[in-house]
Amino acid sequence: SQTIHQWPATLVQPVGSPLSLECTVEGTSNPNLYWYRQAAGRGLQLLFYSVGIGQISSEVPQNLSASRPQDRQFILSSKKLLLSDSGFYLCAWSRPPSQGGHGYTFGSGTRLTVV
Amino acid sequence: GENVEQHPSTLSVQEGDSAVIKCTYSDSASNYFPWYKQELGKRPQLIIDIRSNVGEKKDQRIAVTLNKTAKHFSLHITETQPEDSAVYFCAPRGSNFGNEKLTFGTGTRLTIIP
Repeated sequence: SQTIHQWPATLVQPVGSPLSLECTVEGTSNPNLYWYRQAAGRGLQLLFYSVGIGQISSEVPQNLSASRPQDRQFILSSKKLLLSDSGFYLCAWSRPPSQGGHGYTFGSGTRLTVV
Repeated sequence: GENVEQHPSTLSVQEGDSAVIKCTYSDSASNYFPWYKQELGKRPQLIIDIRSNVGEKKDQRIAVTLNKTAKHFSLHITETQPEDSAVYFCAPRGSNFGNEKLTFGTGTRLTIIP
């Protein structure tokens, strides 16, 4: 069966510090991968998605970047965090439509507080 | 891109009553219509979905109905229980071929009153 791992679960970082959040998927190959951010009490904002190694699409201009160095690894990064980067970050995966994929499976999330 | 609206934004119902949440979308070529449930502090989880070739799907106390002509689909929860309290998101998939990017609605906070 497929599983998705995301870490860390919580993170408190000072303004101006770097960020690296990691997400890995097991039990499948060539998944579509996504990074979402959710502000407190708000909806889900798509940040990045990837359909393959090295292929990253950005949905909104921001202080963040994403990379996919391996097929089942997706990393969210920042060189210098802003207060507005605080939120609940969720990684998700899905099968491509060619493999019958439809819905997402989310990781357990990282709660980031920038202080 | 796909424009998605959910109504209502908050909903309170007595335990045992029914709840209905409606989602409207803009892309007439959308072909997949899921609903996600997010409990406080947890990840969203898929609870039910429907493809564009059917009008209704039911799974025990929850059901989803689709009206493609009017471009909306609804989540129905019957015999509500306290554990149904959560935020619910619709997430229709648009027609962006080759990518199954979902566009999430703004969410509906459902509170079940014991």
